[in-house]
Amino acid sequence: DAGVTQSPTHLIKTRGQQVTLRCSPISGHKSVSWYQQVLGQGPQFIFQYYEKEERGRGNFPDRFSARQFPNYSSELNVNALLLGDSALYLCASSFGLRGDRGWETQYFGPGTRLLVL
Amino acid sequence: AQSVTQLDSHVSVSEGTPVLLRCNYSSSYSPSLFWYVQHPNKGLQLLLKYTSAATLVKGINGFEAEFKKSETSFHLTKPSAHMSDAAEYFCVVGPNSGYSTLTFGKGTMLLVSP
Repeated sequence: DAGVTQSPTHLIKTRGQQVTLRCSPISGHKSVSWYQQVLGQGPQFIFQYYEKEERGRGNFPDRFSARQFPNYSSELNVNALLLGDSALYLCASSFGLRGDRGWETQYFGPGTRLLVL
Repeated sequence: AQSVTQLDSHVSVSEGTPVLLRCNYSSSYSPSLFWYVQHPNKGLQLLLKYTSAATLVKGINGFEAEFKKSETSFHLTKPSAHMSDAAEYFCVVGPNSGYSTLTFGKGTMLLVSP
C-alpha cells in the first residue's frame, strides 16, 4: 500500500508570494494533519482535518490556511510568504482522531521543503 | 495542555553498546506517547506507541520504551546500537481526550561511531 504522499518535494519562492502544498493520505485514512519543521527543531502542529472539517489549529498566523477534499486529500496554503516560513512541511494521516486506546497513530509523508528567498 | 522534554539534544554511542534516549512528559490526562525517528532528508517513521495496555512497549528495530507514570518518563532504549540507528529521535505526546493533536519534543540526535 502507498504511504502518505506529498507534492512537490521541493519549492523555492520569494517573499510575498503564495504557495500551495498538497497531501494524499493513506487509503482509508480520514484525518490529515499538517506540521511545520524548522531546521533543528521538532515539528510544530499547524492544522488537523477530519472528515473535511477543521478539528484543530496550532499557533500560526491567518496567512496559513488549509482544506480537505471529499477524497480526504488536503492542501496547505501559505500567503504573503516570509523568510521565516522556510521549513519542511509535513503531512500526516490517521484513520480517525481517537481509537479505543487513545490517540490514533499518525503516519507521516516525506515532506515538502520550502525555501523562501 | 501537554508538553514533552527530551533531556539530551545529542547522544553519542559506539556500535554494539546500549542506547538510552530520555524523555519526560507533562499531561493533564493519561497520555498517548510515541517515539518517532527521522533519518536525514526523510520523513518521520513511527518506532513505537504507548496506549496504556502495557507499560513496556516494544517497537521496531529492537527499540523499546517504558512508561513510568510516577516519574512522568518515557525513555527509549535499545540493547545494542547499529550504525543504521544514527538519526534524530522525537518523543511525542498526544492527549487521551479532546481534539488537540501531537506535541513533539525538540529531538535527540543519536550519533553512532564504529
